[in-house]
Amino acid sequence: DVKVTQSSRYLVKRTGEKVFLECVQDMDHENMFWYRQDPGLGLRLIYFSYDVKMKEKGDIPEGYSVSREKKERFSLILESASTNQTSMYLCASSIGQGRGNQPQHFGDGTRLSIL
Amino acid sequence: AQSVTQPDIHITVSEGASLELRCNYSYGATPYLFWYVQSPGQGLQLLLKYFSGDTLVQGIKGFEAEFKRSQSSFNLRKPSVHWSDAAEYFCAVLPSGAGSYQLTFGKGTKLSVIP
Repeated sequence: DVKVTQSSRYLVKRTGEKVFLECVQDMDHENMFWYRQDPGLGLRLIYFSYDVKMKEKGDIPEGYSVSREKKERFSLILESASTNQTSMYLCASSIGQGRGNQPQHFGDGTRLSIL
Repeated sequence: AQSVTQPDIHITVSEGASLELRCNYSYGATPYLFWYVQSPGQGLQLLLKYFSGDTLVQGIKGFEAEFKRSQSSFNLRKPSVHWSDAAEYFCAVLPSGAGSYQLTFGKGTKLSVIP
């Protein structure tokens, strides 16, 4: 079974802090994704990566950055946290295009509160 | 760009009753189609997927979905709902072309089950 692990289930930070959300997958997947989920807005893609050190902006990248130094790990960084970044953050991974289209597998999410 | 519509925000059914959740998509060709389920406070779990072939696909937990090209629909069904099926359900599409990574999700349908 694919395992996508997010480092924290709940996180509370203060406005202006630099926040790191970590995600690790154990299935050698090429693609990794970060979403945020808000009531009434559904899931929105922040960033994704299709290879180590590669990244692509999703629909709402402003205020975020990402890092992928190793294939199994994809980090989301809030450079200077703001209250409007309070949300549920979901990480996902999938097999790369070269091995056929496969669904994304999700972690359990990190509920982040910015005070 | 593709889009996904789940017309029902919230559905309530009695335990043991049948269930159908609607999903319509907009895309120029036949995309890859998915249904995910999210229990409260959890990540998304893949229920089933359609890539090609038989238009009726079976998934986990007794769910099935039928792809209808003429209606651009991919409705999720279950013949007899259990109380543990109470959750939020998301339909998603992935373009079938090469280099397509981005899933587009519907806004979700919340299912409540009356004992």
